[in-house]
Amino acid sequence: RKEVEQDPGPFNVPEGATVAFNCTYSNSASQSFFWYRQDCRKEPKLLMSVYSSGNEDGRFTAQLNRASQYISLLIRDSKLSDSATYLCVVIFLSSGSARQLTFGSGTQLTVLP
Amino acid sequence: DTEVTQTPKHLVMGMTNKKSLKCEQHMGHRAMYWYKQKAKKPPELMFVYSYEKLSINESVPSRFSPECPNSSLLNLHLHALQPEDSALYLCASSRGLAGVQRATDTQYFGPGTRLTVL
Repeated sequence: RKEVEQDPGPFNVPEGATVAFNCTYSNSASQSFFWYRQDCRKEPKLLMSVYSSGNEDGRFTAQLNRASQYISLLIRDSKLSDSATYLCVVIFLSSGSARQLTFGSGTQLTVLP
Repeated sequence: DTEVTQTPKHLVMGMTNKKSLKCEQHMGHRAMYWYKQKAKKPPELMFVYSYEKLSINESVPSRFSPECPNSSLLNLHLHALQPEDSALYLCASSRGLAGVQRATDTQYFGPGTRLTVL
């Protein structure tokens, strides 16, 4: 079983739609959670951290459910410029030298005019 | 400023060549990373340097050799690569926090070097 799993999509949605992505993780000792965005042939860029209480940044809302071990990203009022691959990232600490980041496989979003 | 720079942007090399990838950051970060990313896959961690010392080597073949000359620079020396090594090579940096704070240590990525091995 992969440590971090995402629905690869693709998600094709019309402009203005609301879309949600989920990501599950298997390591209950996971400490921190992030959503990164990666445009085609570009580097991943941090979109937002995910906090236990949930957090919002404009049209983007991230939530964490530790009991069920998943995080989510909600995008409201989708824009064409939101088209990208969204990567779920989980960090956990282990004894010795810890892996710094574990990436999900990414969810591809295309917002259609 | 959260800029990480990488050179070159593109590199084509033969299997007998020796080349180097370079990464630089001036954010005062003390942790730097090399990742390899194949098309339609997430980045895979290769190496981690913490305070200029190699702290993680994710079982990477010896034809990849990292070097951290100082806290701002990270190199990846390439020798005798195979065609399957063709990929986007991403460098990242983070503040390099200690202990449990490491979990919140956000990483910032450079634009990558797109490597093609013929």
